[in-house]
Amino acid sequence: GENVEQHPSTLSVQEGDSAVIKCTYSDSASNYFPWYKQELGKRPQLIIDIRSNVGEKKDQRIAVTLNKTAKHFSLHITETQPEDSAVYFCAASDPTIGGGADGLTFGKGTHLIIQP
Amino acid sequence: DAGVTQSPTHLIKTRGQQVTLRCSPISGHKSVSWYQQVLGQGPQFIFQYYEKEERGRGNFPDRFSARQFPNYSSELNVNALLLGDSALYLCASSLIRVNTEAFFGQGTRLTVV
Repeated sequence: GENVEQHPSTLSVQEGDSAVIKCTYSDSASNYFPWYKQELGKRPQLIIDIRSNVGEKKDQRIAVTLNKTAKHFSLHITETQPEDSAVYFCAASDPTIGGGADGLTFGKGTHLIIQP
Repeated sequence: DAGVTQSPTHLIKTRGQQVTLRCSPISGHKSVSWYQQVLGQGPQFIFQYYEKEERGRGNFPDRFSARQFPNYSSELNVNALLLGDSALYLCASSLIRVNTEAFFGQGTRLTVV
């Protein structure tokens, strides 16, 4: 099955600086890559996603890039703010379990800390 | 519109007992999936149901089972509970089966003692 590696496990940046979180996946057949933000005690919430026919997608301060050849994708957050502090998870669709986006394999998460 | 709702929010069970967790998807969503999230880890896929049929199963023992009802709500059952089953159980619904946003419920925190 799919295996997703996520780095770093903890990332501390100054408010206003940029943050980058990187993920690699193992199955070249994976075709959907969402990023979720999870605040303490709350549900994971989708912040951005990308499909394998697209190399980059941007939504205001958040962007995701995908390199299918290298099998890695990254989350970029610019002009970080205190409310960006949370745990971020990358995920990849797992075609070995039916090909549904709901059959996601998640990374272990990155704890992003925004220093004031 | 209501989001994905799960019940109960918290649950304490004894080893060897059985537990049933419930999930109501967003209205109109036909796909429901279940995930287990152990503290400090990412969610791990357990099951996907679409149109009341099991469409995918993760690497979990047969003690875990689920079903989806005609109204698309779902139940997750875990038999013979182990201490290691203690986790946050998340339900996610989506409009269609593939490559679309999955909306998560707030989860059920299960503690096995």
